[in-house]
Amino acid sequence: DAGVIQSPRHEVTEMGQEVTLRCKPISGHDYLFWYRQTMMRGLELLIYFNNNVPIDDSGMPEDRFSAKMPNASFSTLKIQPSEPRDSAVYFCASSQQGGGTFGSGTRLTVV
Amino acid sequence: AQSVSQHNHHVILSEAASLELGCNYSYGGTVNLFWYVQYPGQHLQLLLKYFSGDPLVKGIKGFEAEFIKSKFSFNLRKPSVQWSDTAEYFCAVNDSGANNLFFGTGTRLTVIP
Repeated sequence: DAGVIQSPRHEVTEMGQEVTLRCKPISGHDYLFWYRQTMMRGLELLIYFNNNVPIDDSGMPEDRFSAKMPNASFSTLKIQPSEPRDSAVYFCASSQQGGGTFGSGTRLTVV
Repeated sequence: AQSVSQHNHHVILSEAASLELGCNYSYGGTVNLFWYVQYPGQHLQLLLKYFSGDPLVKGIKGFEAEFIKSKFSFNLRKPSVQWSDTAEYFCAVNDSGANNLFFGTGTRLTVIP
């Protein structure tokens, strides 16, 4: 099993640009989570899906953030427009029965 | 919603010392409990988990954790740490039957050779 696959590993973009982060969960896992990790705020749950349906998006910081899961094998987290304070490591995780297996993360730098 | 408290923000130990990292959660119902480790520059990896049964859970790399329901605690322990255990450790909780996962703020462990 390849685990949870995230792309890109690193993203550097200018303020105001659109950023799309991608995640492929482990096959058979019916939950998918997006987390953001920063030094200041630690690990924050942004949104999670069950069977491709968003269940709780209360952690999404503002309307500039959106997430989709068009099918069981793919999810995106989009930031439009991006701001320097969005700089963080974004993790995707998937699970079947509690807990979660994490991807390697996307390190986003907005300059 | 759950809250998870990890009171030790940074722990510094010498090699071979014993480790105990505290974790307390707020929810009074049935919970699943987890410890994750994040080595520098890497993603989170599951160390161990508790769903039910024996409250003393053995994990990988010699770690264990004890669930004490009356204290709402799930402390992580290791009898003898190694330099390679230097990492950040996260406690996490979800309500049984739900699948949201709440993390503590993490404890950074530095092991001095």
